[in-house]
Amino acid sequence: EAGVAQSPRYKIIEKRQSVAFWCNPISGHATLYWYQQILGQGPKLLIQFQNNGVVDDSQLPKDRFSAERLKGVDSTLKIQPAKLEDSAVYLCASSLVGGGRDTGELFFGEGSRLTVL
Amino acid sequence: SQKIEQNSEALNIQEGKTATLTCNYTNYSPAYLQWYRQDPGRGPVFLLLIRENEKEKRKERLKVTFDTTLKQSLFHITASQPADSATYLCAYQTGANNLFFGTGTRLTVIP
Repeated sequence: EAGVAQSPRYKIIEKRQSVAFWCNPISGHATLYWYQQILGQGPKLLIQFQNNGVVDDSQLPKDRFSAERLKGVDSTLKIQPAKLEDSAVYLCASSLVGGGRDTGELFFGEGSRLTVL
Repeated sequence: SQKIEQNSEALNIQEGKTATLTCNYTNYSPAYLQWYRQDPGRGPVFLLLIRENEKEKRKERLKVTFDTTLKQSLFHITASQPADSATYLCAYQTGANNLFFGTGTRLTVIP
């Protein structure tokens, strides 16, 4: 079974530039998450989709971050304009279970490492 | 606000010993906890899930306990091996049905 695919693996940009990350979840997984992981910290949720609807985006800095999940499958996360503090690994995850009380196991991609200079 | 603390940033143990990692949470009563392993440059990988009505869960050399009174979960690796060296993350489900992660404990098993 193919895992969660993310690209690019690495990206270096200058502050105020824009960047986009792409995620393809495991086939059939209803729920998709984007997490931000700063070096030495645990993953922090940015946004959660169930199918193509947003469930939770309370931690997403909406003045600069945006995300979409078209047709309930692939997702893109965009940062514009980037700040130095956005340097982090952006992890995409998906889970089979959608809604209800139980998120179930999350399957993570390898992440996209962003460096903002 | 919700908070989840893992006992230490780093833990070093001798090969063959039992590693015990601690996860404490405050300001919330989760229905379950999950534990993940993360290797450098990789995404987290699911290990175990334990529900609030379960005191203990085992999987091969791994054991997790969940004490809702103490608001604490313990994660044990018995007969530890150098290959167990990694960062271990605990997480609980929030009311919004997503996972809130701790900062992780970096375990090093010394041969």
